[in-house]
Amino acid sequence: DQQVKQNSPSLSVQEGRISILNCDYTNSMFDYFLWYKKYPAEGPTFLISISSIKDKNEDGRFTVFLNKSAKHLSLHIVPSQPGDSAVYFCAARPGTSYGKLTFGQGTILTVHP
Amino acid sequence: DAMVIQNPRYQVTQFGKPVTLSCSQTLNHNVMYWYQQKSSQAPKLLFHYYDKDFNNEADTPDNFQSRRPNTSFCFLDIRSPGLGDAAMYLCATSRELQAAQYFGPGTRLTVT
Repeated sequence: DQQVKQNSPSLSVQEGRISILNCDYTNSMFDYFLWYKKYPAEGPTFLISISSIKDKNEDGRFTVFLNKSAKHLSLHIVPSQPGDSAVYFCAARPGTSYGKLTFGQGTILTVHP
Repeated sequence: DAMVIQNPRYQVTQFGKPVTLSCSQTLNHNVMYWYQQKSSQAPKLLFHYYDKDFNNEADTPDNFQSRRPNTSFCFLDIRSPGLGDAAMYLCATSRELQAAQYFGPGTRLTVT
């Protein structure tokens, strides 16, 4: 049972345009969500997170939106840069003292110059 | 720079031969995690330590064990690796269970 899904395996965007990465979840107990970026041969790097008490969190070029009723979150990158090309994972965890993260399968983002 | 370090980056072992993967951190975080990631799949949590308390995931095979001798180091022991255990093994740390997790670069394990 895949509780966190990233339905787009890949996304291609022109430099300077907006990249929108999507993530859906099924577990209503999830209340904290994170986005990670992963380059080849490296571990995932934490990008940005959002708690379920918010619907938007912004950090520089990265903004995460959370729609709790739709159980959907998205990561917006504006403007996209070639260095943003990587695999992006969304992850979620429930509101308990136990911090287990459940990851999506990842979306490969390619930003073309 | 504070970081999560994994050694070795690439490990080749023979079928059935015990292997140990190493993780160290300079972040002084309380929690250390081990994840397994197979090709094109999401990372899957195997277990975690909160300080010295070990927490095993229900579906982690008995073949996988872990040790945390001190705050900085955590080891993943695979007692009898099978071909299906070939994967990337990721170590992560977090300050507390509710905090964001920071990952090491991973160790890619090949089983021959």
